[in-house]
Amino acid sequence: GQQVMQIPQYQHVQEGEDFTTYCNSSTTLSNIQWYKQRPGGHPVFLIQLVKSGEVKKQKRLTFQFGEAKKNSSLHITATQTTDVGTYFCAGRNDYKLSFGAGTTVTVRA
Amino acid sequence: DGGITQSPKYLFRKEGQNVTLSCEQNLNHDAMYWYRQDPGQGLRLIYYSQIVNDFQKGDIAEGYSVSREKKESFPLTVTSAQKNPTAFYLCASSWGTPRETQYFGPGTRLLVL
Repeated sequence: GQQVMQIPQYQHVQEGEDFTTYCNSSTTLSNIQWYKQRPGGHPVFLIQLVKSGEVKKQKRLTFQFGEAKKNSSLHITATQTTDVGTYFCAGRNDYKLSFGAGTTVTVRA
Repeated sequence: DGGITQSPKYLFRKEGQNVTLSCEQNLNHDAMYWYRQDPGQGLRLIYYSQIVNDFQKGDIAEGYSVSREKKESFPLTVTSAQKNPTAFYLCASSWGTPRETQYFGPGTRLLVL
């Protein structure tokens, strides 16, 4: 079945630095969604990418969908304490949305 | 105030006991879902329903049951057959199929005594 893998599982970042989290699927995806879960909270939708090679930006967050539509990345620049949380990618294929295990981000002030 | 509500926030279960988690939405969404979240793992789909009076098993349905008698409500019962029920349970809804953007409730944390 479809599997979505995310790396790294944990990311410790110095405030002000950049980092990237990666998402890889075993199958070609129709689209990919990204969610953020703050500590103690629930996942909140961030963005959806549909087209091959698509790049979207939300302020300091840059989302990219691979040319083969099997991988995606989230790049955060100038990390702030508000970026703390777990970021999930979710790959869509046919009827199903499959979530990765998430990247949990902590920030050192 | 539109959204998804889950109750209770915390739930304690004794061995051999069935418990039911509530999920209600007033977003007029057709589809609803139940996920289980364990530490260090992603969200695993338990059951989903695309329309009233119909639901489908997800990846880890064993030991769980659901009903969808009303569009707004999708309760999940954790039965005694679920041997490791301690987890964070998240309910979600969307406009259509599981492929659509999903809106999550605040979750219920289930603990076994």
